[in-house]
Amino acid sequence: DVKVTQSSRYLVKRTGEKVFLECVQDMDHENMFWYRQDPGLGLRLIYFSYDVKMKEKGDIPEGYSVSREKKERFSLILESASTNQTSMYLCASRSLGQSYSNQPQHFGDGTRLSIL
Amino acid sequence: AQKVTQAQTEISVVEKEDVTLDCVYETRDTTYYLFWYKQPPSGELVFLIRRNSFDEQNEISGRYSWNFQKSTSSFNFTITASQVVDSAVYFCALSEAPSGGGADGLTFGKGTHLIIQP
Repeated sequence: DVKVTQSSRYLVKRTGEKVFLECVQDMDHENMFWYRQDPGLGLRLIYFSYDVKMKEKGDIPEGYSVSREKKERFSLILESASTNQTSMYLCASRSLGQSYSNQPQHFGDGTRLSIL
Repeated sequence: AQKVTQAQTEISVVEKEDVTLDCVYETRDTTYYLFWYKQPPSGELVFLIRRNSFDEQNEISGRYSWNFQKSTSSFNFTITASQVVDSAVYFCALSEAPSGGGADGLTFGKGTHLIIQP
């Protein structure tokens, strides 16, 4: 089974802090993703990564950055946390598959982040 | 731009009833993929099914079935003889075909909260 592990289930930080959310997958997947989930808005894509050291902006990248130095790890960084970044953050990974056949994404348990 | 609409915000049924969750999508691509995910109270998103745009065959897996109709841009999900353990938020999602070998994200609907009462 694919295992996507997010470092924290719950996290509380203060406004202005630099926050790191870590995600590790154990299936040698090329693609990794960060989403945030908010009530009434569903899941929205923040950033994704094709492969090591590669990254692309998703639909709502403002206020975030990412790092992918190793294939198994994809970090989401809040450079200066703000209260409107209080949310559930979900990491996902996906195999590139054959002929880019759009394999399903596998998700971690999520990190519920509160910014005070 | 692609879009997924799940018009039902919340559905509540009594155990053993059948229930259908609606999903309508918009995309300009001719090649695309549709997904359903389940999110139980624990929070993890669980993959249920993937369907590509060339395969309109309906699928049944136990009590779950999916009806894909390109003519109406719909990909509906039916649970037969619902059980309390089916209570969760269900998301429909769309992804267009990857181009240039790159990754791409899913566009999610806002989800349907399904409550199965004993």
